[in-house]
Amino acid sequence: DAGVIQSPRHEVTEMGQEVTLRCKPISGHDYLFWYRQTMMRGLELLIYFNNNVPIDDSGMPEDRFSAKMPNASFSTLKIQPSEPRDSAVYFCASSLGQVGGYTFGSGTRLTVV
Amino acid sequence: AQSVTQLDSQVPVFEEAPVELRCNYSSSVSVYLFWYVQYPNQGLQLLLKYLSGSTLVKGINGFEAEFNKSQTSFHLRKPSVHISDTAEYFCAVGGSNYKLTFGKGTLLTVNP
Repeated sequence: DAGVIQSPRHEVTEMGQEVTLRCKPISGHDYLFWYRQTMMRGLELLIYFNNNVPIDDSGMPEDRFSAKMPNASFSTLKIQPSEPRDSAVYFCASSLGQVGGYTFGSGTRLTVV
Repeated sequence: AQSVTQLDSQVPVFEEAPVELRCNYSSSVSVYLFWYVQYPNQGLQLLLKYLSGSTLVKGINGFEAEFNKSQTSFHLRKPSVHISDTAEYFCAVGGSNYKLTFGKGTLLTVNP
């Protein structure tokens, strides 16, 4: 298995632009998680899905952030409009229930200038 | 609510020395406990996990951790570290809601 695949690896965008981050989970995994990592706040859970249905989005910082999972093999995290304080590394992870732990993607490093 | 405290933000050690990375958790219900490792510019990789059973858990790369319920701790240990173990290590706690809460991380630096 190729693991959890995220794209792009790096994204540099100007403030106010729309940014879309993409994730392909491991085939057969039923949970998908989006995390944000910054030096100040560490790893923060933004949202997670179970069988493509959003379960908890309480970590989404504000309405500028949205996430979708149209099918079991694809998810997006969108920021519109982007702001410099959104600069961070965004990780996607998937798991088969709780017992197995997470498999993380390599992350997308977002820089908003 | 669950929380994780990693007591040391940085731990420098010499090669072949033993190391212990400390982790304490807080939870009102039964927990699952995990250690992850993150190498520079990479995602997190699962080192080991405690779900139930034996309190001593062995993981990859020679690491092990011991679950201590009375002290609410899950410290990570390795008897002899290598340069290649230099990385950031994250302790995490999970429960029945299928999401993990991570600690702030401990940067382990192994010096020659």
